[in-house]
Amino acid sequence: QVQVMQSGAEVKKPGASVKVSCKATGNTFLGYYMYWVRQAPRQRLEWMGWINTITGGTNYAQKFHGRVTMTWDTSTNTGYMEMWSLRSDDTAKYFCARVKGSYSGMDVWGQGTTVTVSS
Amino acid sequence: EIVLTQSPGTLSLSPGETATLSCRASQSVSTTYIAWYQQKPGQAPRLLIYGTSSRATGVADRFRGSGSGTDFTLTIWGLEREDFALYFCQQYGTSPYTFGQGTNVEIK
Repeated sequence: QVQVMQSGAEVKKPGASVKVSCKATGNTFLGYYMYWVRQAPRQRLEWMGWINTITGGTNYAQKFHGRVTMTWDTSTNTGYMEMWSLRSDDTAKYFCARVKGSYSGMDVWGQGTTVTVSS
Repeated sequence: EIVLTQSPGTLSLSPGETATLSCRASQSVSTTYIAWYQQKPGQAPRLLIYGTSSRATGVADRFRGSGSGTDFTLTIWGLEREDFALYFCQQYGTSPYTFGQGTNVEIK
């Protein structure tokens, strides 16, 4: 059974950075895309970007350009999303999810990582 | 960016009834790039439908997706108790990929 485990909750001060990890059993993400999506309280889901786990190529939503980096560690089959210059409105639950191809939806999800930004 | 507007915001129905959820896009979206997700409190979303009408693995056939252009629909035939949840549509044809605000299907 596929399991995707994300790192634990984080509390950060404004201006700090955070790095969230996402690891799946076996080769769940190998050869596919890892998407990152966040869900702020009382807000709709927000797509942040993706990374191709074969090429390492990335595509970030314009809103996050220059503030987010997504990486993939092939040695541990673990993906990372790092965001810096955190603001209070970055407080949200951050999810990783698998997408098999351009025509597919996000079919395997992590449990989510809550990031709270507060002074 | 493409704005997705879902209606109604809340749908109050009884088990066994049929739910019809609407998702309207601010501009035309290829049918290839519309998905629907179900989310229950405290859980991650679950993929139900991709490509407008293709059911994801393990999804019951009472979930049907349809539509084209700017209007898309998720129909749930014969609601079962586990179907009462929040539902989102998503377009992934044009970056940034966007989601609707959700329709809450609640027990009447």
